[in-house]
Amino acid sequence: EAQVTQNPRYLITVTGKKLTVTCSQNMNHEYMSWYRQDPGLGLRQIYYSMNVEVTDKGDVPEGYKVSRKEKRNFPLILESPSPNQTSLYFCASSPLLAGGHGELFFGEGSRLTVL
Amino acid sequence: GNSVTQMEGPVTLSEEAFLTINCTYTATGYPSLFWYVQYPGEGLQLLLKATKADDKGSNKGFEATYRKETTSFHLEKGSVQVSDSAVYFCALRRGPYGGSQGNLIFGKGTKLSVKP
Repeated sequence: EAQVTQNPRYLITVTGKKLTVTCSQNMNHEYMSWYRQDPGLGLRQIYYSMNVEVTDKGDVPEGYKVSRKEKRNFPLILESPSPNQTSLYFCASSPLLAGGHGELFFGEGSRLTVL
Repeated sequence: GNSVTQMEGPVTLSEEAFLTINCTYTATGYPSLFWYVQYPGEGLQLLLKATKADDKGSNKGFEATYRKETTSFHLEKGSVQVSDSAVYFCALRRGPYGGSQGNLIFGKGTKLSVKP
């Protein structure tokens, strides 16, 4: 089954304790992206990757890191989490189609709480 | 820059009522337009899409037409059901790829509640 898998789905942590949210897709997609969803703000892009070893900042990258060493995986790293990073996080992937017409496939989300 | 504006919710309707959720966009070039749906406690799913002007996307009784002259992509359904209760997001994606042009830009979402 084609899917985007995120882990963990739920996490409660404390300020400053490094954590990684993993994302894996089995569709051989070139493009992957991380979003955070907050009430009243919709979805905002954190980082994206056009292919292996190619990553770039989205709209709200502060406090996050990513890496893309393999095509299928795109982990999101919070080196020193803070309470304002409490949010619902989504990973997404898509093929790179000419004209930008590809739909994004989303994971089920990871709800992170930073105390 | 590119942006999407959709009507603020929440929207509350009775079952079998007609639904319209307005969406307008700002973009240079020829973006693709999407509607995504998020059911309670779940991730986002593509509901429908349109890739060029005058295209109509449709799925599960929902429809939206890509209107370049009014830069709009309004979502409609003739008769909503309780199971349609969800948050609906309008989005655009602009190519060709280069830098951030291929990124999906979302509206803030519209929460729909359908009462029996």
